[in-house]
Amino acid sequence: GQQVMQIPQYQHVQEGEDFTTYCNSSTTLSNIQWYKQRPGGHPVFLIQLVKSGEVKKQKRLTFQFGEAKKNSSLHITATQTTDVGTYFCAGPGGSARQLTFGSGTQLTVLP
Amino acid sequence: DAGVIQSPRHEVTEMGQEVTLRCKPISGHDYLFWYRQTMMRGLELLIYFNNNVPIDDSGMPEDRFSAKMPNASFSTLKIQPSEPRDSAVYFCASSRNLGTSGGTDTQYFGPGTRLTVL
Repeated sequence: GQQVMQIPQYQHVQEGEDFTTYCNSSTTLSNIQWYKQRPGGHPVFLIQLVKSGEVKKQKRLTFQFGEAKKNSSLHITATQTTDVGTYFCAGPGGSARQLTFGSGTQLTVLP
Repeated sequence: DAGVIQSPRHEVTEMGQEVTLRCKPISGHDYLFWYRQTMMRGLELLIYFNNNVPIDDSGMPEDRFSAKMPNASFSTLKIQPSEPRDSAVYFCASSRNLGTSGGTDTQYFGPGTRLTVL
């Protein structure tokens, strides 16, 4: 299956600052999904991007899929304490229904 | 609607004991996935089923691990004998084939079972 690399591994921000996490693949991805896992919780689906250059927004969250479909980013504007958690990107795995998860970016928001 | 249900939520056992983790997927979902999450290895896919049939078990670490899905609403992951290095959070997830063009079906995760093997 395809592998996705995610950076940074950890990010500490002051409340109100912006945050970005990046996901990169050495091969073209047919799509990419983003999940959020709160501390002590389970991964929860946020969004899926399918088209080259696609940009989608969910309130303060902006998701982008690169033109070459090899990278993606998640940007949070003006972070809040409720944004705390680990954000994972996930690309298609070895078969049509599998996902391969990145290592995640753990976000800490300092009040 | 009820989400994916897992039991137990926490399990503490001693090395050498048998451990059975249980999962009830979302009704109507035809895919079921078992994942293991650790700090060192992140979120790893162990095995997945389609319509109760195991499709890919290449992620199962060794013969001590086995998984079954006797019907559409129940699956088990068994570890026998358990070892301290099996300590992790085990997630079950399910999905439904929506045939999304170019996409992969969204996976819905259960709350997980935190396993500690002493």
